[in-house]
Amino acid sequence: EAAVTQSPRSKVAVTGGKVTLSCHQTNNHDYMYWYRQDTGHGLRLIHYSYVADSTEKGDIPDGYKASRPSQENFSLILELASLSQTAVYFCASSESGTKDTQYFGPGTRLLVL
Amino acid sequence: GDSVTQTEGPVTVSESESLIINCTYSATSIAYPNLFWYVRYPGEGLQLLLKVITAGQKGSSRGFEATYNKETTSFHLQKASVQESDSAVYYCALGASSGSWQLIFGSGTQLTVMP
Repeated sequence: EAAVTQSPRSKVAVTGGKVTLSCHQTNNHDYMYWYRQDTGHGLRLIHYSYVADSTEKGDIPDGYKASRPSQENFSLILELASLSQTAVYFCASSESGTKDTQYFGPGTRLLVL
Repeated sequence: GDSVTQTEGPVTVSESESLIINCTYSATSIAYPNLFWYVRYPGEGLQLLLKVITAGQKGSSRGFEATYNKETTSFHLQKASVQESDSAVYYCALGASSGSWQLIFGSGTQLTVMP
């Protein structure tokens, strides 16, 4: 019973198309995050949220939107997918009191052609 | 800026051999960084392996150890005798103990343990 799940686990998208990545957590955590990882690089923060119906920009938000409709769910939206957005995307959650101890999902491998 | 540099992979060792994965950090905007090792097993998400919040202290978990060395800005991961089940990707990371919440990750080190 994984506490952070992501869907889909992998996806192939076309350039200019819309992509939605979903994340669900059962940790009862307030904070949720979206990171991307490119080959040979560390994870970089795209968006995060500390309460439902509110999202904040991370280090690399350009080209991405986020949505937090409930405490459990957090989506990452690519309105116009581009080749440069090919990466592995990780979702994570954390408690308010220990925000830097984060619990991660298994990742979504996105290939944009 | 804030950054983490770790041993480039892949690293291959034989079972029962010792292991060290180097990690150094730069925390110019974080006064008292917390240091982490995360591990990603095949097909799974990153899991917290160990966390140390005080300089000079050592963290340990599953036979792995890492000491927070503020003088050398290092947090190397060590294990005396690895097992095949330790094969995974290991990530060093730093985070703030207050104020900013962000985690800064290294690029990861792929470890393969040969039987």
